[in-house]
Amino acid sequence: AQRVTQPEKLLSVFKGAPVELKCNYSYSGSPELFWYVQYSRQRLQLLLRHISRESIKGFTADLNKGETSFHLKKPFAQEEDSAMYYCALKETSGSRLTFGEGTQLTVNP
Amino acid sequence: KAGVTQTPRYLIKTRGQQVTLSCSPISGHRSVSWYQQTPGQGLQFLFEYFSETQRNKGNFPGRFSGRQFSNSRSEMNVSTLELGDSALYLCASSLEYGQGVWDFGPGTRLTVL
Repeated sequence: AQRVTQPEKLLSVFKGAPVELKCNYSYSGSPELFWYVQYSRQRLQLLLRHISRESIKGFTADLNKGETSFHLKKPFAQEEDSAMYYCALKETSGSRLTFGEGTQLTVNP
Repeated sequence: KAGVTQTPRYLIKTRGQQVTLSCSPISGHRSVSWYQQTPGQGLQFLFEYFSETQRNKGNFPGRFSGRQFSNSRSEMNVSTLELGDSALYLCASSLEYGQGVWDFGPGTRLTVL
């Protein structure tokens, strides 16, 4: 069965520092990976998907099939990046998402 | 565009009762899915509907059921409520089936006493 692991429940960095949120997955097929974000008192929303290979709000994520990872990175964190980040996996067929446990990122001034 | 709406936003029920939650997708979206969010289990998939057909179901007991109407609106029902059903229930909609790009609603907070 597919599984998504985010090893850090909490991550705290200072403004301007690099940040990396880790995500590892297990899935026997060819997955599609996503990062969803939930800002305080807002809805869960899509941040980025690996097939788009784009940078959103300065965040990037590369799918590493060899290491089965999809880490989210940003070179210079901003206070407005403070939020809960969820890594999610979509199976080859269908649309259901398997979410990781989430990482609460706090960017301190 | 108007986002996904869920009603009611808050519910308090007692054990043994049943509850129906409603979800209106974004206009034009034809796929709807439901997730249960709890502090202990995180986000867990309940089911997904497309064209009024259940396409996928998560590992939840038969007390959890749902349906989708011809206008893509969806409802989920939980019968014989248990204390452990207390959770935030999220509905999400997507343009088509097979995408992982979902627009989430604000959720319905269900408390079972």
